[in-house]
Amino acid sequence: DVKVTQSSRYLVKRTGEKVFLECVQDMDHENMFWYRQDPGLGLRLIYFSYDVKMKEKGDIPEGYSVSREKKERFSLILESASTNQTSMYLCASSLQRGLGGELFFGEGSRLTVL
Amino acid sequence: AQSVAQPEDQVNVAEGNPLTVKCTYSVSGNPYLFWYVQYPNRGLQFLLKYITGDNLVKGSYGFEAEFNKSQTSFHLKKPSALVSDSALYFCAVRDGRNNDMRFGAGTRLTVKP
Repeated sequence: DVKVTQSSRYLVKRTGEKVFLECVQDMDHENMFWYRQDPGLGLRLIYFSYDVKMKEKGDIPEGYSVSREKKERFSLILESASTNQTSMYLCASSLQRGLGGELFFGEGSRLTVL
Repeated sequence: AQSVAQPEDQVNVAEGNPLTVKCTYSVSGNPYLFWYVQYPNRGLQFLLKYITGDNLVKGSYGFEAEFNKSQTSFHLKKPSALVSDSALYFCAVRDGRNNDMRFGAGTRLTVKP
């Protein structure tokens, strides 16, 4: 089974702190994604990556950055956390580009910014 | 960019009755369509997908979905609902050229005994 592991299930941070959310997948997938989930808004794409050191902006990249130094790991960085970034963050991975593959999700990281 | 709409925030059905969760999509190329389910405090789980071929797609846990190109719809269905089907359901779309997947806002399904 594909496993996507997010390093922290629950985090509480203060405004202005730098936050790292880590995600690791074990199936040699090319594509990795970061979404945030908010009630009534569904999942919104923050960033995605289809190869090591490659990244593409999603719909809401402002206030976030990402890093993909190794194929299996995709990190989401909040340079200076703000209260409006309180949310559930979901990491996902999928097979190669253009194959219509489904996404495999981690369990999510619930971030609260005070 | 591609998008999906789930017109119902909430769907309530009685156990044993058929259920339908609606989804419409917009995409410039050929659509790849997906349904996912989310249980409380968990990530999303894949249910089924339409890529090409038969318009009726069967998936996990007895769910199926019908692709209708003329109506740009991909409704999720189950002939007989279970209380354990109660969860949040997301429709998603990917066009054939891109990597990114777009999700709807979600529909909360409640099945009452």
